[in-house]
Amino acid sequence: DIQMTQSPSSLSASVGDRVTITCRASQSISDYLNWYQQKPGKAPKLLIYAASSLQSGVPSRFSGSGSATDFTLSISSLQPEDFAAYYCQQSYTSPWTFGQGTKVEIK
Amino acid sequence: QLQLQESGPGLVKPSETLSLSCTVSGGSISSSHYYWAWIRQPPGKGLEWIGSIYYGGNTYYNPSLKSRVTISVDTSKNQFSLKLSSVTAADTAVYYCARREGDYYYYMDVWGRGTTVTVSS
Repeated sequence: DIQMTQSPSSLSASVGDRVTITCRASQSISDYLNWYQQKPGKAPKLLIYAASSLQSGVPSRFSGSGSATDFTLSISSLQPEDFAAYYCQQSYTSPWTFGQGTKVEIK
Repeated sequence: QLQLQESGPGLVKPSETLSLSCTVSGGSISSSHYYWAWIRQPPGKGLEWIGSIYYGGNTYYNPSLKSRVTISVDTSKNQFSLKLSSVTAADTAVYYCARREGDYYYYMDVWGRGTTVTVSS
C-alpha cells in the first residue's frame, strides 16, 4: 500500500494567516492526489483533486500543488470557517489511502 | 442535487455481520460515469477506504478488509450496500458512503452524512 504522511499533525494559526500543509507519498503517485476538509461531526468535503484542481464551489483561497511524492495544500488567508481537519488521499492505485490528517486550530 | 444517505443498525455484536445501505437520491446509481464507495473513520482517527462498486457489479476492496467485506448494488432501489463479517471492537467507526467521480482522476465528490456503528455486546 502507498503510505501518505502529512505534516504537521496539527497547527495553530490566526485568521488572515497563510497556512501550508504538506503531504508526502511513499512512492510516486504522479498527480493523483486529493485534499479534503472535515469539520467535527461532518463528512469530509472535497477541496482539491488532481493535486491542483479546485473543486467547484470551493473558495479560491484554497490551492494545491505538487507532483510525484510531495504535495502541498495552501490557504492564502485563513478564515474562521477554515478551522478543521484536512486530509490528503491518493487515487493512483488501489487501495486508496489517506494521510493521517492535519488539524488546523485557532491561535 | 445528488444526495447519499446511509442506513443500518447502530449497534452490532462482536463476531456478527455489520450491514449498511446507502440510498442515492437526485441521480441514478446506474450512471456509467461513477463508482460508489464506502469509507470509515474510527473515533478520533483518520479515514480508511473500504471499497468501491460500479453499477454493473465490478468491485474493488481494501486488501486489509477483503476477506470480510462484500459490497453490492441494487439498481432497482438506487442503493448500494456494505456487509462486514466477523466484526470486532476495531470495526467501531463512522461509516460513510460516497460517489467516486472521474474518468481519469478519481476523487470522492459527494458524501453521505455518515452513520455511527458501535461493535459491542
